[in-house]
Amino acid sequence: ETGVTQTPRHLVMGMTNKKSLKCEQHLGHNAMYWYKQSAKKPLELMFVYSLEERVENNSVPSRFSPECPNSSHLFLHLHTLQPEDSALYLCASSHVAGLSSYNEQFFGPGTRLTVL
Amino acid sequence: DQQVKQNSPSLSVQEGRISILNCDYTNSMFDYFLWYKKYPAEGPTFLISISSIKDKNEDGRFTVFLNKSAKHLSLHIVPSQPGDSAVYFCAASAHTGTASKLTFGTGTRLQVTL
Repeated sequence: ETGVTQTPRHLVMGMTNKKSLKCEQHLGHNAMYWYKQSAKKPLELMFVYSLEERVENNSVPSRFSPECPNSSHLFLHLHTLQPEDSALYLCASSHVAGLSSYNEQFFGPGTRLTVL
Repeated sequence: DQQVKQNSPSLSVQEGRISILNCDYTNSMFDYFLWYKKYPAEGPTFLISISSIKDKNEDGRFTVFLNKSAKHLSLHIVPSQPGDSAVYFCAASAHTGTASKLTFGTGTRLQVTL
């Protein structure tokens, strides 16, 4: 496997289910991100992990719970979601930018989530 | 309040011609700008970037121009090819010395016709 992989690619769940999205990066990066893309809206940053520590939580409801067990893996645990949470969930990774450098993010293919 | 705006949701260009995609931003703290390309059922793919100390960056058929005073950047693709048909996202970042946090525009769908 190369790059950033996400599983599952598609997920349909009821509002009372608990499920998890998985992301794995094979690029040697040390920062990982979760984004949400809803129809006709820009990508919204949800969570940022830098060196396995959460550094950003963009006012995301607690029904979304991230986990980063190591620098290569990132999970998004889902429970009691609402139909409006249906969206494309994208994972990305990058090197942590230094004080005088920038680093682009590399994205996975996303998980298309439908909440019934 | 949308800090990165792509006001054209779609653009159609003939093969071989120039495609110009535009992006405006409002946050003067942004100092690094990126363009991503996205095909259906795939994640965004990094295309080209520019830091605020430059006004132009070129990579093959792709050139990004930055006008800091106007808070405007544009992506030029020349010559355009049918394989360039995709959604293009502009993104901006304010340097924090840690993990980069990108703010994205809503995207412009480019259709390159034969």
